[in-house]
Parts: sequence; C-alpha cells; structure tokens
Amino acid sequence: DAGVIQSPRHEVTEMGQEVTLRCKPISGHDYLFWYRQTMMRGLELLIYFNNNVPIDDSGMPEDRFSAKMPNASFSTLKIQPSEPRDSAVYFCASSLAGTGNTIYFGEGSWLTVV
Amino acid sequence: SQQGEEDPQALSIQEGENATMNCSYKTSINNLQWYRQNSGRGLVHLILIRSNEREKHSGRLRVTLDTSKKSSSLLITASRAADTASYFCATGVNTGGFKTIFGAGTRLFVKA
Repeated sequence: DAGVIQSPRHEVTEMGQEVTLRCKPISGHDYLFWYRQTMMRGLELLIYFNNNVPIDDSGMPEDRFSAKMPNASFSTLKIQPSEPRDSAVYFCASSLAGTGNTIYFGEGSWLTVV
Repeated sequence: SQQGEEDPQALSIQEGENATMNCSYKTSINNLQWYRQNSGRGLVHLILIRSNEREKHSGRLRVTLDTSKKSSSLLITASRAADTASYFCATGVNTGGFKTIFGAGTRLFVKA
C-alpha cells in the first residue's frame, strides 16, 4: 500500500501567490482530513470529508483557504492569496470508518511564504 | 481549541527507563488514540483505546483510560534511543462524522 501521498513536499512562495496542495488518500478510505501544524498552534484540523463531501470546515482559518475533493482519490487545499502567517506543515490524512477511525498521515507539505 | 492536552510538554530520560505521558481531554469521546511523530515526518498511529476500555497493551506500550477523569496515559517501557519523538493523544468524537482532534504533544528524548 502506497499510503497517503502529498505533493509538493516543500514549497516556497511569495506573499500574494496562490498555493495548491494535493493529496491522494489511501485507496478505499472514506474519510479525508487536512491538518496544519505549527510550533505555536500545534496540529489543527482544518477540514474533513466523508465520501468526498465536506463535513466540517470550521477549522479553515479564513476565506483565503478552500478545499475540494472532486473524487475519492484526490483532494486539494488551496490558499489564495498566501500570507507569511500561512507558513506551516500541511498534512493530509485518511481513514476508514469502522476501524476506530485510525488516521493515516501523509508526510506533509512544508509551506514557506516569504 | 484543542481537545487533548498532553503533560509533560517535554521529557528527557535515559535509555532503559520508562516514559510516562499523560493526556487530558474535555468532552465525551468514542475513543482515544496515541500517535508518534518523528522529526520532519507525518504522524504514525500507535494504539487506540475505546471509551469502554480501561487499559490496553501493545508491545512495550501500555495505555490507560479514565473516562471519569477524562484522562489517559501512555507508558513506554524499557525506552530506546529510537523512541525519541513527539507523542500525541487524539480523541475521536462523533459529530455526525468522526472528528479527531489532537493535543499539543509531548516531546520525548531518550538518551543513549
């Protein structure tokens, strides 16, 4: 099993630019999560999907952030326009209902906005 | 706000010693999980304990859960330098879907 695959692994961008992070969940998983990790705020749940439908986006910090899941094998997290305070590690994770919701994480996308 | 809070924030021990980390949470849960994160990597699931369980073992790991106190502990016995990592508790809450919230983590350093 390939695990959760995220891209890019590292991105450095200038303030004001659009950033798109991509995620391929584990095949067959029906939950997909986007988390953000920073030293100051720890690991924050931004949004999660169940069967491609957004269930809870209350953690999305502001309208500059948007997430989509057009099909069961792909999701994107977009930041437009990006700001330096968006610099963080963004994790995508997936899980399968009925397994106690054990979450499988990708290796993260390290975003730096300068 | 975060659901789980770990204690201590950081822990430094000698190889061979036991390491105990605690987690407190605020609301009713379906289960509690512990994860490990090596520097620069994603989190990896270690163990899950359901709300109707009190103790669970997996290898050198022992987890307890006290729902009356809304707390859990993770014990790593006979620690090794390779156990050096951050450890997070996570609580699963049924909110129409399953929402999993992570605590701030405990940074464990095991000295060889």
